[in-house]
Amino acid sequence: EVQLVESGGGLVQPGRSLRLSCAASGFTMIDHAMHWVRQAPGKGLEWVSGISWNSVTMLYADSVKGRFTISRDNAKNSLFLQMNSLRVEDTAFYYCTKDMRGVRAFESWGQGTLVTVSS
Amino acid sequence: EIVLTQSPGTLSLSPGERATLSCRASQSVGSSSLAWYQQKPGQAPRLLIYDTSSRATGIPDRFSGSGSGTDFTLTISRLEPEDFAVYYCQQYSSAPRTFGQGTKVEIK
Repeated sequence: EVQLVESGGGLVQPGRSLRLSCAASGFTMIDHAMHWVRQAPGKGLEWVSGISWNSVTMLYADSVKGRFTISRDNAKNSLFLQMNSLRVEDTAFYYCTKDMRGVRAFESWGQGTLVTVSS
Repeated sequence: EIVLTQSPGTLSLSPGERATLSCRASQSVGSSSLAWYQQKPGQAPRLLIYDTSSRATGIPDRFSGSGSGTDFTLTISRLEPEDFAVYYCQQYSSAPRTFGQGTKVEIK
């Protein structure tokens, strides 16, 4: 069974940093591109960042470019999101997702971790 | 960036009725690269349909997708109680991947 378990969320002040982690199991992580998708409370879904299977390609939404960094450790079946210079508008549930093999739809999702940016 | 606009915002229907959800793109979505997701309160989204019309693993056949170019549709042939939820379309034809704003299917 595929499992994606996010951790690292919490309450943080504007301008500070936070690092999210996603532990993957039940599939061969190296076979898949991985992504972070976020959802502000009561709002819609927003793709944040994605990374190719070999970490050669990293993409970011304009809203986080230059502040967030995505990375992965295939040997440890883990995905990360380093979030710097956090803003109030970054407050959201952050979901770890994986692409289908050969199709760039988000096949599996974690349960999400809540990041609250507030003074 | 491809903007996806979903309609209606809310659909009020009774169990057993047919639901038709629309997703319109601001420019052509190439290679039928469109997906649909279902989200229930307090849960993560779940992939229903990919490549416009292919059902994801375990998705019942009352869910179907169609469309091309800029106009796409998700149809639920007969609503079951567990189908009342929010539905999102999403394109992966070009970066950045974008979502529609969602359609809520509620019990009438």
